[in-house]
Amino acid sequence: NAGVTQTPKFRVLKTGQSMTLLCAQDMNHEYMYWYRQDPGMGLRLIHYSVGEGTTAKGEVPDGYNVSRLKKQNFLLGLESAAPSQTSVYFCASIKDHTDTQYFGPGTRLTVL
Amino acid sequence: DQQVKQNSPSLSVQEGRISILNCDYTNSMFDYFLWYKKYPAEGPTFLISISSIKDKNEDGRFTVFLNKSAKHLSLHIVPSQPGDSAVYFCAASPINTGFQKLVFGTGTRLLVSP
Repeated sequence: NAGVTQTPKFRVLKTGQSMTLLCAQDMNHEYMYWYRQDPGMGLRLIHYSVGEGTTAKGEVPDGYNVSRLKKQNFLLGLESAAPSQTSVYFCASIKDHTDTQYFGPGTRLTVL
Repeated sequence: DQQVKQNSPSLSVQEGRISILNCDYTNSMFDYFLWYKKYPAEGPTFLISISSIKDKNEDGRFTVFLNKSAKHLSLHIVPSQPGDSAVYFCAASPINTGFQKLVFGTGTRLLVSP
């Protein structure tokens, strides 16, 4: 099992550009999450999904959209990137609410 | 408003000694607590957890203590090893929502020196 993988690992964008971050898991997990980690802020929840075809807002959803068309994939989109979105993005998945979250290796995004 | 707080950004300990990492929370709805460990350029990995019906959980060198009345938990690592050097995140969730929605602390960087 590859576990949770994230694509790409690094990306530099200019303000106003768009991009999509891909998270994939091969553990047949129901729930998937997107977090961002900023210095001194810990991990903050952006969006999450409790199953294929569902999405919900987390703590800091503004400027992001997500989709879960397939159970194994959770996409995070930035329609018009801003410097405030410079961060490290982590995806996580979980079998059910009694399980522990498995994290991907992260995507480091810089918006100039 | 920071619902989960780790007031010590860093901690230095000598190999073989005890490391104690602390975490405070404010939301009384939290009833499931976890510690994650993170190495540079990697995602967090689960270390140990505790539910609110317990006050202690042990796993090898790692023990988590929960004091519900003080809304405080701590992670003890005994004995500390250089490979334990990492950032440790405390996280909390209300488990009765039917899904897990973690709130993370800001992390404590642990350095274990030989």
